[in-house]
Amino acid sequence: GAVVSQHPSRVICKSGTSVKIECRSLDFQATTMFWYRQFPKQSLMLMATSNEGSKATYEQGVEKDKFLINHASLTLSTLTVTSAHPEDSSFYICSANQGRFDQPQHFGDGTRLSIL
Amino acid sequence: QQPVQSPQAVILREGEDAVINCSSSKALYSVHWYRQKHGEAPVFLMILLKGGEQKGHDKISASFNEKKQQSSLYLTASQLSYSGTYFCGTEVNAGNMLTFGGGTRLMVKP
Repeated sequence: GAVVSQHPSRVICKSGTSVKIECRSLDFQATTMFWYRQFPKQSLMLMATSNEGSKATYEQGVEKDKFLINHASLTLSTLTVTSAHPEDSSFYICSANQGRFDQPQHFGDGTRLSIL
Repeated sequence: QQPVQSPQAVILREGEDAVINCSSSKALYSVHWYRQKHGEAPVFLMILLKGGEQKGHDKISASFNEKKQQSSLYLTASQLSYSGTYFCGTEVNAGNMLTFGGGTRLMVKP
């Protein structure tokens, strides 16, 4: 079945560091991928929609200069958290679907980001 | 706007049934149901498209009333493995951008 791979699974770094998270669709092409953020005991909040070959669409309140998204190919989207601070610590999850209206979104395993 | 899920939490004994509801203020194209275990990514359960169909596999089924913009997830004869947080994700058109509800924490005890 369709699989989405996300890497790394966990990052611990100092404040001010930039962190890159990769999301790959392993056996299908994804023109659109989605990036979510989830704080403890809360729901998944959509941050942005990543579009292959064009700029990402960010949700209201999400700083596009802080959360850089690059969707360079049909199987890879990256999220870079620039100059991360403790308040950016969260669980980041990407998802993608196969482009059919009746197909689910497949989620990556998520990245737990901890900024010290 | 985020769909509203109810209840927020439920505790069951193994073998008992549960219903989780998801309600939206917008007309919906589809409803997706996921289960998430602690520290893990959500796992897809089922998708319901507008048309009011009911779906199910094993002892988990769901319905979608597009007129009321509501969906319900039915868990019958619950098993310990059903424990987790259940999220509904709603889609207002076929663009597949999901908006997730606040989640329902389900705990199944022996």
